[in-house]
Formats: sequence, C-alpha cells, structure tokens
Amino acid sequence: EVQLVESGGGLVQPGRSLRLSCAASGFTFDDYAMHWVRQAPGKGLEWVSGISWNSGSIGYADSVKGRFTISRDNAKNSLYLQMNSLRAEDTALYYCAKDMTQWLVDAFDIWGQGTMVTVSS
Amino acid sequence: EIVLTQSPGTLSLSPGERATLSCRASQSVSSSYLAWYQQKPGQAPRLLIYGASSRATGIPDRFSGSGSGTDFTLTISRLEPEDFAVYYCQQYGSSLTFGQGTKVEIK
Repeated sequence: EVQLVESGGGLVQPGRSLRLSCAASGFTFDDYAMHWVRQAPGKGLEWVSGISWNSGSIGYADSVKGRFTISRDNAKNSLYLQMNSLRAEDTALYYCAKDMTQWLVDAFDIWGQGTMVTVSS
Repeated sequence: EIVLTQSPGTLSLSPGERATLSCRASQSVSSSYLAWYQQKPGQAPRLLIYGASSRATGIPDRFSGSGSGTDFTLTISRLEPEDFAVYYCQQYGSSLTFGQGTKVEIK
C-alpha cells in the first residue's frame, strides 16, 4: 500500500524549532520529488517547500524562506522539514505529498494525513 | 507569483445536478500545469485532475477539467452525495500556488 506518514508535530513556543518527518512506503521513494503543504485551521492549502528526487532542486514559499529547510534521506525513504524561528502564523496541519515526477513540475498524487504544529506561548 | 482565484466561494446544489467550478490565474499557466483536488472534512486532499484535463487514477468520469492560459474549469457532470466537499485548484508551472477553494454544499 502506498503510504505517507508524518510525525514530529506538537506545541512549540514562538521562536523555537521543530523538525517534521515523513515516512514513505509502497513506492520507489527516490524516483519522485516530494513536498510539504500546510493548512491553517479552517483555511486553505499553502505549498511550503519541495525537493527533487536527488535533492538537486529545492524550492520554498516566500513565507518560510530562510527559516525552514527541507531535506530527504533516500536510503531511509524519509522526508524532513526543519522549522526554525517559528511564528504563530506557522500554526497549521502539515502534509507530506508526493510529486508525480522526479522534479518539482507536476501535481501531487499521494498525501499523508498530516501532523499538527501549534506555535503558541 | 501566480495568484489563483476560484469562484464561486460556495456552490449550493442538489445531488444529480451539474457543478461548474472556475479557477482564474493572474498570469498564464505554462503548459496547462493546473491540477484540481478534492478535500473532505478531516481528510487529506485527493488529486482529481492534472495537466488541466487528465483524470487521476481511480477518478470517476463525471469529473472533467478544461481550460488553458488563465481560465480553467472543473465540471462535475452529476453530483453524487460523496462529491460534496471543498475543491482547490493548483498551478505548478511557475513555483506552486493553490486557489482559495470552492465549497460545494448540499442545497
């Protein structure tokens, strides 16, 4: 079964850091680009970051550039998001999603169930 | 950044009716790199349409996508009870952005 399982969310104070993980199974992980997408409570979807199959191409939304770092470990079939200098506006459900191609140039055909990040003092 | 504007914000229809959802881009979307997703409460989004008009695996043929350039449409030919949900368009031709969503609710 094709599956993405996120973990690492929780309650964190403003200015602190958090690292999200996404474990992939059921497909050849290193054949595809991967992404993080977030959804604030009651709001729409916002693309956060994406990484190509070989980590050679990486992109970030302006809202997280310089604070968040995406990475992947193909040997462990895992995707990561290091989130630093967290703000209240980063509070959201964070989804891991699989691209349909190796590069950051296609739609997202597989999504995880998300991990909740709450930034509050 | 390409801004996607979806309309209407909410569509109130009855089962069996036709739904037409619009997605307008602030700039031309290259190569029709436009996708549509469905999201139900408490669930992750599900890919319906990619490349503006190609149905994703397992998507019923009552869902169809059309359009190019700056104007795109998702059509649900006959609404089934399970189709009442929020629908998002996404462009992936220039970075990646989502529209704000259209809620299809039961009238």
